[in-house]
Amino acid sequence: GQQVMQIPQYQHVQEGEDFTTYCNSSTTLSNIQWYKQRPGGHPVFLIQLVKSGEVKKQKRLTFQFGEAKKNSSLHITATQTTDVGTYFCAGEEWGGSNYKLTFGKGTLLTVNP
Amino acid sequence: EAQVTQNPRYLITVTGKKLTVTCSQNMNHEYMSWYRQDPGLGLRQIYYSMNVEVTDKGDVPEGYKVSRKEKRNFPLILESPSPNQTSLYFCASSFNPGLGEQFFGPGTRLTVL
Repeated sequence: GQQVMQIPQYQHVQEGEDFTTYCNSSTTLSNIQWYKQRPGGHPVFLIQLVKSGEVKKQKRLTFQFGEAKKNSSLHITATQTTDVGTYFCAGEEWGGSNYKLTFGKGTLLTVNP
Repeated sequence: EAQVTQNPRYLITVTGKKLTVTCSQNMNHEYMSWYRQDPGLGLRQIYYSMNVEVTDKGDVPEGYKVSRKEKRNFPLILESPSPNQTSLYFCASSFNPGLGEQFFGPGTRLTVL
């Protein structure tokens, strides 16, 4: 079945440093979503990528979807303390009437001010 | 305010005592889903529902039941809870799978003694 691997599991950075988390699926995805969960909170949707090779930016965040639609990354430039949290990717897969949504295990980002 | 609500937010119970966690959304979403979140395991899907009276198993359905009798509600039922069901549970909804943005509820922290 579909597996979505996410690395690293943890990342600690100094404020101002960059951060990247990577997501890799064992199968070709229909699309991929990214979520952020603050400590003690619930996951909040950040973005969805649909097209092969797609790149989207949200201020300091850059999201990429691989050409084969099996991998994705989230890059944060010049981290701030407000970026602290766990970042999850979630891969969607449609096959006929079958639907599958699988979350990666997440990357916990901590930022030292 | 558009939101997903869950009740209760916290629950401590004993093995074997049936319980229901309610989930309700006010956004007229067709898709609803239940997840459990455990340290190191990320978010794992328990059950999902594409529409009223349509439910399907996720990755970890054992020990859980759901029903979708009306669009706005998607209760999670534990007929005979066991300690390995101690977890943080999230309900989520979206307008339609594939259209992105799942809205998550605030979570229910369940402890089974």
